[in-house]
Amino acid sequence: SQKIEQNSEALNIQEGKTATLTCNYTNYSPAYLQWYRQDPGRGPVFLLLIRENEKEKRKERLKVTFDTTLKQSLFHITASQPADSATYLCALLSAGNTGKLIFGQGTTLQVKP
Amino acid sequence: EPEVTQTPSHQVTQMGQEVILRCVPISNHLYFYWYRQILGQKVEFLVSFYNNEISEKSEIFDDQFSVERPDGSNFTLKIRSTKLEDSAMYFCASSGGVTRSETQYFGPGTRLLVL
Repeated sequence: SQKIEQNSEALNIQEGKTATLTCNYTNYSPAYLQWYRQDPGRGPVFLLLIRENEKEKRKERLKVTFDTTLKQSLFHITASQPADSATYLCALLSAGNTGKLIFGQGTTLQVKP
Repeated sequence: EPEVTQTPSHQVTQMGQEVILRCVPISNHLYFYWYRQILGQKVEFLVSFYNNEISEKSEIFDDQFSVERPDGSNFTLKIRSTKLEDSAMYFCASSGGVTRSETQYFGPGTRLLVL
């Protein structure tokens, strides 16, 4: 069956360091992979989208890589700040064009000052 | 910046009652979605909607659920006879403009509690 896995344990890092979050998937061939941020009790906020034919995408302090051979995406936050503390969700969008997003369970990042 | 809005932010209802959750998608978007998130669990897809029709629905979206775009701005999710297990956060999302866009923008959610 299709499965998306993210680091289940919380990630604790020191301010200024680079946070790296992992998203692995199986039995799935997504056309797009997206990363969202979710704060407690709030809706997911879109961060970055990467297509299956793209290896890397950047936006300010954020970088996403997508390896369709390994079936893995890495999400990096450089020069992390306490305000980056949140849960980060990986989501896959199929090529079926109905827009159905399949989410991972999320990784909680805690950046300590 | 345009955003998706949802009302109410919280809804408490008795089991068996009907609830309607309302959403106002981003104005030039054409594709609309509902997701839900049970406390501590993943965000789960419920339904996608385009051109006044359901494009895809999940197994969760049974006969108790329905969606409607009653006018040019609102998008609603109705649960006809709520069950305890329907307690969750419900998120509306929208995407797309003139051409199909893959980015979905989510609303702040409605927290539904069924007693």
